[in-house]
Amino acid sequence: KAGVTQTPRYLIKTRGQQVTLSCSPISGHRSVSWYQQTPGQGLQFLFEYFSETQRNKGNFPGRFSGRQFSNSRSEMNVSTLELGDSALYLCASSFARANGLINEKLFFGSGTQLSVL
Amino acid sequence: QQPVQSPQAVILREGEDAVINCSSSKALYSVHWYRQKHGEAPVFLMILLKGGEQKGHDKISASFNEKKQQSSLYLTASQLSYSGTYFCGTFGEGAQKLVFGQGTRLTINP
Repeated sequence: KAGVTQTPRYLIKTRGQQVTLSCSPISGHRSVSWYQQTPGQGLQFLFEYFSETQRNKGNFPGRFSGRQFSNSRSEMNVSTLELGDSALYLCASSFARANGLINEKLFFGSGTQLSVL
Repeated sequence: QQPVQSPQAVILREGEDAVINCSSSKALYSVHWYRQKHGEAPVFLMILLKGGEQKGHDKISASFNEKKQQSSLYLTASQLSYSGTYFCGTFGEGAQKLVFGQGTRLTINP
């Protein structure tokens, strides 16, 4: 069974640009979560999608948005990039149930390393 | 609210034991533990549910003290392969999202 696939692996952008990251979950998984990872900050929750609906959202500005398609693939978009957006962006998929991820194992992708110059 | 992990970093020799703690200021439904090796994706270790349970496999185990809103991860007779950053994630009461701590970097030397 293929794992969680994130593309691209690396991205270099300049301030003010926008970027779209892609995540293909494990087949059959309906939930996709996105996290931002920076040194010393751990994994900061961005949002979670379940059956094409945003189920939960973290404390990030509106420049960060996402969506999920009917095949469970998900995209994350960051507009008007800032230097502080440089980070590793991880997505994680889970089979999930309607009542959330309380007892669900997450499968992480290898991430997209975004550098903003 | 982000759980707090301690210590932030620890260096051990192979065969020594380690304990990593995870504390929350809120009541918890569950605690999740993951390990991330350098340059790799985080990998699931275990989930502990509300009820004060203890879990373990091989030489890695964990406990969950519901009253103290704390969990501890125990690594006994550590092996070189245990090196990496350990993250705890928590589901608090009323929350619908898994929030991770800042991580504990574990280095095992021969």
